[in-house]
Amino acid sequence: ETGVTQTPRHLVMGMTNKKSLKCEQHLGHNAMYWYKQSAKKPLELMFVYSLEERVENNSVPSRFSPECPNSSHLFLHLHTLQPEDSALYLCASSQDLGGAEQYFGPGTRLTVT
Amino acid sequence: ILNVEQSPQSLHVQEGDSTNFTCSFPSSNFYALHWYRWETAKSPEALFVMTLNGDEKKKGRISATLNTKEGYSYLYIKGSQPEDSATYLCAFEGGSYIPTFGRGTSLIVHP
Repeated sequence: ETGVTQTPRHLVMGMTNKKSLKCEQHLGHNAMYWYKQSAKKPLELMFVYSLEERVENNSVPSRFSPECPNSSHLFLHLHTLQPEDSALYLCASSQDLGGAEQYFGPGTRLTVT
Repeated sequence: ILNVEQSPQSLHVQEGDSTNFTCSFPSSNFYALHWYRWETAKSPEALFVMTLNGDEKKKGRISATLNTKEGYSYLYIKGSQPEDSATYLCAFEGGSYIPTFGRGTSLIVHP
């Protein structure tokens, strides 16, 4: 257990569905991250929040919409996804931005049909 | 786009062998270099965060070195054990404090 939980662990959704991924950290950290892991690609950073403010958006399509209502929770809202969005989505947190190790959740395996 | 390269891509060793792999990264605008271990069906786990040129860090049989002037870090595993089998990731942090990950080195230790 890393102190970072993600739900659901597995998700299958159609291209017209709307779903949300949830991440919660119990570590008192100030920064939270969403990553995408596709087959044979490096971990791709999608979004970063520090003290509930978004600090990075790596040109992610608008069909992915993050939300950080407080420093312990991070959501990724999904709508009208494409099959190529099928991947492992990892959430992570760190004490702060800059030189702090990240603690990762177990991930959500997403399949878009 | 930052270039973070790891080599080799994969490695098979026998139990008891010592091994090492490389992470290369931009030599300018350096802030920190991270190493993570990612075992199958688990989450990535932090091994080291290194910030100073010449830094050496050690955790049990695993150690890492850092050369920020030439842009590389080595990860060493002494006396590999089957439980060391995992993918080892490095991540470079520049002035933006946002990490860029390499593709990883997949290590398999055969009993």
